[in-house]
Amino acid sequence: DGGITQSPKYLFRKEGQNVTLSCEQNLNHDAMYWYRQDPGQGLRLIYYSQIVNDFQKGDIAEGYSVSREKKESFPLTVTSAQKNPTAFYLCASSIAQGKGAFFGQGTRLTVV
Amino acid sequence: QQQVKQSPQSLIVQKGGISIINCAYENTAFDYFPWYQQFPGKGPALLIAIRPDVSEKKEGRFTISFNKSAKQFSLHIMDSQPGDSATYFCAASAADKLIFGTGTRLQVFP
Repeated sequence: DGGITQSPKYLFRKEGQNVTLSCEQNLNHDAMYWYRQDPGQGLRLIYYSQIVNDFQKGDIAEGYSVSREKKESFPLTVTSAQKNPTAFYLCASSIAQGKGAFFGQGTRLTVV
Repeated sequence: QQQVKQSPQSLIVQKGGISIINCAYENTAFDYFPWYQQFPGKGPALLIAIRPDVSEKKEGRFTISFNKSAKQFSLHIMDSQPGDSATYFCAASAADKLIFGTGTRLQVFP
């Protein structure tokens, strides 16, 4: 089955620790995205990548980092510099930048 | 100019009724307007999308109406069903980003 896989579904971390969220796609899509969703709010863009070894900051990139070493993978690291990391994180991919993005099932990160 | 404004924030509709969600944008460079449906704890799913050269697109009970001059677009859900209860997001894209509205929580009561 083609799709986007995010893991884990739930993640708990202590404050001050870095944590990496996994996102893998087998849709052969060039573009990949990370969004953050807070309760009752829309999706805010963290980072996006249009091609391997290249990525751009979104609207709320501070405290996050990404890499795009393979077309299929776009992991997100939530660093200790992110002041309010508890949120629902969504990864998406699209065949062309900005078009028809398909989402994974999300990772709910809780920092205690 | 990158914002997409969505209304209402929440919507309650009786089964069989019509649900209407509206979005407005400013950036005339936007060239693709999708709608997403999200159930609690799940990722958004692409529902229907439209390009600005078309004024209306219909897929089953879901219709997008697009008004290019007013820079507005809307989602109409005909014969709304309890299973349609979800959060709906409009979005707009240009070149490299997909910008989302703030979402509408739809509740359909039997």
